[in-house]
Amino acid sequence: EIVLSQSPGTLSLSPGERATLSCRASQSVSISYLAWYQQKPGQAPRLLIYGASGRATGIPDRFSGGGSGTDFTLTISRLEPEDFAVYYCQQYGSSPFTFGPGTKVDVK
Amino acid sequence: EVQLVESGGGLVQPGRSLRLSCAASGFNFDDYAMYWVRQVPGKGLEWVSGISWNSGTLGYADSVKGRFTISRDNAKNSLYLQMNSLRGEDTALYYCAKGATAVGFYYPMDVWGQGTTVTVSS
Repeated sequence: EIVLSQSPGTLSLSPGERATLSCRASQSVSISYLAWYQQKPGQAPRLLIYGASGRATGIPDRFSGGGSGTDFTLTISRLEPEDFAVYYCQQYGSSPFTFGPGTKVDVK
Repeated sequence: EVQLVESGGGLVQPGRSLRLSCAASGFNFDDYAMYWVRQVPGKGLEWVSGISWNSGTLGYADSVKGRFTISRDNAKNSLYLQMNSLRGEDTALYYCAKGATAVGFYYPMDVWGQGTTVTVSS
């Protein structure tokens, strides 16, 4: 099983600032099958990024993903008020699929 | 509109069984892999199980392997999760989710239901 870790656990920023979230895998993620999800309180997760860097349908271009192998990043170029949420990475290249523990982005 | 609606959750005693269902609409259900993901309130996401479009590939988290069984009925546009030998640590909100691309198994999840709550307690 591939174990994912995320850092930091919490990121405190102000609207308009840049957010950089990290996801590290215990072994190489097959074909960069790495996704990022956003979850707000009381809501189901929303797919943001797939294949490490592809934006899902309807996702603003301020969200970007990168990385390969075992190290991946999600960058939010300029935080909007609606971006404050918890972000999870997930690998889907090998079963069982696994999620990271999440990074909470909150208002500074 | 693409929609997933889970049902079947509830309060169950440890060691007993429960069957979750997910009704899909708004897309060609039999073209897509489907998954179950759970979340303890206030905690992170845990992938539970997945099934390919034709039921040819199944996957389970180590924590549920041998106790849970995923299945689908493409004629009824429905996904199921049979949960046996339930434990307290299975208490969670269970989401049904759709694979992002047709055919195959190894995909992220682009549509999620609102979840059904399972509580395992005596």
